Amino acid sequence: ETGVTQSPTHLIKTRGQQVTLRCSSQSGHNTVSWYQQALGQGPQFIFQYYREEENGRGNFPPRFSGLQFPNYSSELNVNALELDDSALYLCASSSIVAKNIQYFGAGTRLSVL
Amino acid sequence: GQQLNQSPQSMFIQEGEDVSMNCTSSSIFNTWLWYKQDPGEGPVLLIALYKAGELTSNGRLTAQFGITRKDSFLNISASIPSDVGIYFCAGLPEAGSARQLTFGSGTQLTVLP
Repeated sequence: ETGVTQSPTHLIKTRGQQVTLRCSSQSGHNTVSWYQQALGQGPQFIFQYYREEENGRGNFPPRFSGLQFPNYSSELNVNALELDDSALYLCASSSIVAKNIQYFGAGTRLSVL
Repeated sequence: GQQLNQSPQSMFIQEGEDVSMNCTSSSIFNTWLWYKQDPGEGPVLLIALYKAGELTSNGRLTAQFGITRKDSFLNISASIPSDVGIYFCAGLPEAGSARQLTFGSGTQLTVLP
């Protein structure tokens, strides 16, 4: 186990709705990264948070937003859900002290109908 | 966005056989990682490589960081049924403000008894 926990494990939403996914980082890790993994593909970087600020963003529209809290936990918010947003959303935590190696949670499986 | 070319896409092997897979990039990475992902789970780190030319082992797994810093290889010796899963290579870039991982598309490994 990596110590990275995500909730919920599964979620079903309809098109146009909004969703919030949550992640608790591994103890001692101050950086959280979010990835989207479509079926049959490798994870794609959404964004990263460090010290409660966004620290880099992948090729995702502004309706994907996030937060990091003082305890380093994080949220991913997606507005105006589209069918193509159906995917496994992965959270990873890391720390420069641990050579920036990213350790992943089990993910949240989001289905948009 | 940037992608890693991972091959083969899938492999079917007999239990006890050795396995090789590789990953190439058009860009330089300063860290190469190999992860394994089981169904419904997040990627689990297998091996991390930090220096060009580095050869690192973890049990029956051996990985190498290519001299050009644009490729990496993973070998699994004497495969067993629990080796079944999807193997991903991932790279951390040399420069950039965000330490985002770029993933390959994965190698699906099936071990036949």
